[in-house]
Amino acid sequence: GAVVSQHPSRVICKSGTSVKIECRSLDFQATTMFWYRQFPKQSLMLMATSNEGSKATYEQGVEKDKFLINHASLTLSTLTVTSAHPEDSSFYICSARDLRAAYGYTFGSGTRLTVV
Amino acid sequence: AQSVTQLGSHVSVSEGALVLLRCNYSSSVPPYLFWYVQYPNQGLQLLLKYTSAATLVKGINGFEAEFKKSETSFHLTKPSAHMSDAAEYFCAVSSPMNTGNQFYFGTGTSLTVIP
Repeated sequence: GAVVSQHPSRVICKSGTSVKIECRSLDFQATTMFWYRQFPKQSLMLMATSNEGSKATYEQGVEKDKFLINHASLTLSTLTVTSAHPEDSSFYICSARDLRAAYGYTFGSGTRLTVV
Repeated sequence: AQSVTQLGSHVSVSEGALVLLRCNYSSSVPPYLFWYVQYPNQGLQLLLKYTSAATLVKGINGFEAEFKKSETSFHLTKPSAHMSDAAEYFCAVSSPMNTGNQFYFGTGTSLTVIP
């Protein structure tokens, strides 16, 4: 089955620094990937849709200059949290669409970001 | 517009008892419906999905769900709860007719299994 690898699983960074999170489709090509954010005890909120070779589409209220998304290849999308602040601390999850399967979406294992 | 409502943010059942997690959806187009499970500090694992084929969908780990258009529901059930079923469960709706194909998740239901 389709596998999506997300790295790192946990990261702690100092306030004001930037953090990059990688999302890789290991055994399929993903022209479209999605980035979600999950606050404690809450649901997943779509942040942006990442399209290979073009600009990401951000959901309303998501700062595109703060959450930089790059989808430079068919197997890799990255989310960079720039100038991180404690309020950016959250669980970030990516997903990728596997076109080989009928409506197949696979989620990564998530990244726990803590900004101190 | 699409949305899902999960009734009951917390559900507790005894081991061996029936599990019933409720999900109601709202959709202006034919929906695809999904149930995902999330264990602590992990990503989401697909339990099952309805994509306009059979209304009774069987998934992994003994779970199943029935799509009822008249009730706009897609409740998740399991005949006999196991301790390993304790987790967070999310219902989600999407549609191939949507541009972007994004999911809309419910707020989640935390399942506790009492020994």
